[in-house]
Amino acid sequence: DGGITQSPKYLFRKEGQNVTLSCEQNLNHDAMYWYRQDPGQGLRLIYYSQIVNDFQKGDIAEGYSVSREKKESFPLTVTSAQKNPTAFYLCASSSREYSYEQYFGPGTRLTVT
Amino acid sequence: RKEVEQDPGPFNVPEGATVAFNCTYSNSASQSFFWYRQDCRKEPKLLMSVYSSGNEDGRFTAQLNRASQYISLLIRDSKLSDSATYLCVVTGNPYSGAGSYQLTFGKGTKLSVIP
Repeated sequence: DGGITQSPKYLFRKEGQNVTLSCEQNLNHDAMYWYRQDPGQGLRLIYYSQIVNDFQKGDIAEGYSVSREKKESFPLTVTSAQKNPTAFYLCASSSREYSYEQYFGPGTRLTVT
Repeated sequence: RKEVEQDPGPFNVPEGATVAFNCTYSNSASQSFFWYRQDCRKEPKLLMSVYSSGNEDGRFTAQLNRASQYISLLIRDSKLSDSATYLCVVTGNPYSGAGSYQLTFGKGTKLSVIP
């Protein structure tokens, strides 16, 4: 079955540690995205990538980094510079033809204490 | 003015009721409009696109008024399984060069359908 996988589902880290969230898709989509969702808030775009080896900052990129070495994979690193990292992180992908129809992975809930 | 604003909710309705959600958007250049559904602690899923002429999918009807920058979603004959948060989503500024568009999400309106 085609889809997007994110791992792990729940992640706990101590303050000051970097952490990398995984996102893999087998939909053959060109574009991939990372969003963050806080309670009672809309999704906010962190980074996006429209093609391998290229990515762009979204609205809230500070404290995050990404890489896009393979079409299928778009990992997100939450660095210690991110002031409020505890959130629900969602990865999405879309095709070039229908770039506005984004399909989401199940998300990773990150808790930093 | 917030980019995408929705009814704050929550909406608590009995089974079989008709419920309507409203949404306004600030970017007049927005070209595409959607309703997503998000179950509690799950990922959002595309419910339906919204077209200028209005469109229907079973019990769901979506309408767009570009002049007023207003989108609506009507759910008829509500089912318990309709309980979720409904997100209004619009495309914003285009990404440079590639023809794709950034999605802007509203905060969502929570619907609870009660037996």
